[in-house]
Formats: sequence, structure tokens, C-alpha cells
Amino acid sequence: AQSVTQLDSQVPVFEEAPVELRCNYSSSVSVYLFWYVQYPNQGLQLLLKYLSGSTLVKGINGFEAEFNKSQTSFHLRKPSVHISDTAEYFCAVTGNDMRFGAGTRLTVKP
Amino acid sequence: ETGVTQTPRHLVMGMTNKKSLKCEQHLGHNAMYWYKQSAKKPLELMFVYNFKEQTENNSVPSRFSPECPNSSHLFLHLHTLQPEDSALYLCASSQDLQVYNEQFFGPGTRLTVL
Repeated sequence: AQSVTQLDSQVPVFEEAPVELRCNYSSSVSVYLFWYVQYPNQGLQLLLKYLSGSTLVKGINGFEAEFNKSQTSFHLRKPSVHISDTAEYFCAVTGNDMRFGAGTRLTVKP
Repeated sequence: ETGVTQTPRHLVMGMTNKKSLKCEQHLGHNAMYWYKQSAKKPLELMFVYNFKEQTENNSVPSRFSPECPNSSHLFLHLHTLQPEDSALYLCASSQDLQVYNEQFFGPGTRLTVL
């Protein structure tokens, strides 16, 4: 079975600052990795996913993530955040099935 | 309507009530899911359906009863719930059960059990 750990439950940042949301996973089988975003009163929406190939994955809204197999990590980054990026972010891993982390609440302050 | 829709968006019920949550997907997908989202906890997968057949039940109490009449519709029937069942219930769909496929989520039903 797989498991996902999101290392920060809350990340406050100022507008236009860079941000990194951390995600570590464990699995005994090959995995695919996902980041989803949940805006208030909405369901989850896919930001990006890693299936194979280049370890640097670019997603929507200027986000990117890097798959690091040796460190079993898939951290999400954005070089300059906006107020509208305030949301809950979920890392997910699939091997035999899909497992989600507990989420990181990103709050962007003016 | 596009994507995945869920009704109602909010539901308040007593422990002796019977109610149902509805999910509909307009994406032509074959797999549908029910998740429970509680604060500060990972999403909990409850049920999985593929081509209308239930493929997974993650030890969910029998007071939750799913129904999938066709590949586009999914219901969650609720009866004699407990206050700890209060949560956001999310429905999702995917093309099939291949683990590399993205899941598309509805906006959820916010359930409060009094």
C-alpha cells in the first residue's frame, strides 16, 4: 500500500513571494503522483501529475512540481503567488489505488 | 451541466432521518467514487464503482448504502447516522480504474448530523 505525508498543514505567505508545499510518499510499487487544489466550497481540481519522463512537471496556474525518487518526494512550487492561490492543496499517490495526503492550506496575504 | 454535479450542496439531518445524496457525471466516464472529507484528515475513499459494479468498499458502516443505477449516476443513501458522520462528501469520476487516470470531483455535499 502507499501513503502520503504533507509536511505542512498551513503555509502563510505574502503575495508575490515564492512558495513550496512539501509532499513525501512511501510505496512498495511504482507510483504516479498528483497535486490537486480545492478552492472554498468547491471540489478538488487537478493541478498537475507525474506519470513518467521528465521529473519536472508543469501544471496550471504557474505551478510546477519535481519528482525525486531517491527522496520519495514530490514538492509543489510557484515562484510568485497571488491572492487567488489561497486554497487547500492535496498531494496524491497511486500505486494499487489512490491515496491522498491530509492537505496543506495555503494562505496568501496582501 | 458539465463535469460532476452533486445535490444537495448542504444537508442537515437528525440521527433517525433517512436521506440520499446524488451525484451525476457528464464526462462519459465509467468509474465513480464516494469520498468522505473531514477536517485535518486525508480524504477517505468509501466506495468505488466501475461500469455500475461495486469494486471497493473500504469497511464503511452499513448506515451508508451506495447505489449506482448506471455509469452516470451515483447515490449514497443515509440512515441512522451519527454526529461523527458530519463531513463533506465528495463524488468523483474517472475514465476507468487505471491508476494513472485523473479523477474529476464534484463540489461536495456538506452533511451535518444533529
